[in-house]
Amino acid sequence: AQSVAQPEDQVNVAEGNPLTVKCTYSVSGNPYLFWYVQYPNRGLQFLLKYITGDNLVKGSYGFEAEFNKSQTSFHLKKPSALVSDSALYFCAVSPAGGGYNKLIFGAGTRLAVHP
Amino acid sequence: DTAVSQTPKYLVTQMGNDKSIKCEQNLGHDTMYWYKQDSKKFLKIMFSYNNKELIINETVPNRFSPKSPDKAHLNLHINSLELGDSAVYFCASSPGGNLYGYTFGSGTRLTVV
Repeated sequence: AQSVAQPEDQVNVAEGNPLTVKCTYSVSGNPYLFWYVQYPNRGLQFLLKYITGDNLVKGSYGFEAEFNKSQTSFHLKKPSALVSDSALYFCAVSPAGGGYNKLIFGAGTRLAVHP
Repeated sequence: DTAVSQTPKYLVTQMGNDKSIKCEQNLGHDTMYWYKQDSKKFLKIMFSYNNKELIINETVPNRFSPKSPDKAHLNLHINSLELGDSAVYFCASSPGGNLYGYTFGSGTRLTVV
């Protein structure tokens, strides 16, 4: 069965410092991997995805993520955090290939960026 | 232009009532979904429709019944509401398959009192 783990409930970082939000996954075969962000009282917004190809994926708002197959990880990163990045971040996974497989979401990690 | 819109945004109702949440997407997507987000922010899929056909039906009480009159609409009807149904319900759509990710609506916060 597919699953996603986000080991940190909350990540605190000072503005201007690099940030990392961790994600590990379990899926049969190759994965499709996604990061979403949720601001208070809003729906989830797509940040980036890994489907195939280059392990380093760049997305919206300066975020990037690195796919590591051997460690089954897809950590979200940003070189310099902004206070406005403070939000809830979700990692999601689905088996690669066709069909209508559902996205399975992690429990979310709250990112707090302090001035 | 709102891509995926849900109504109502807030819904407060008493136990035992029946209520519906509506969802519409103007993206031309073939597949729509309902997710439930609980008080701990955990997201769990409930249903998915592709071109009006039910393709995912998770273990959800049969008090919950989705209906898709056309591929742009997916409504959720809930009978005999219980306290535990209180949550935020998100509608989402995708072009089909799992390659593209989803576009989410802004959610419906359901409170059962």
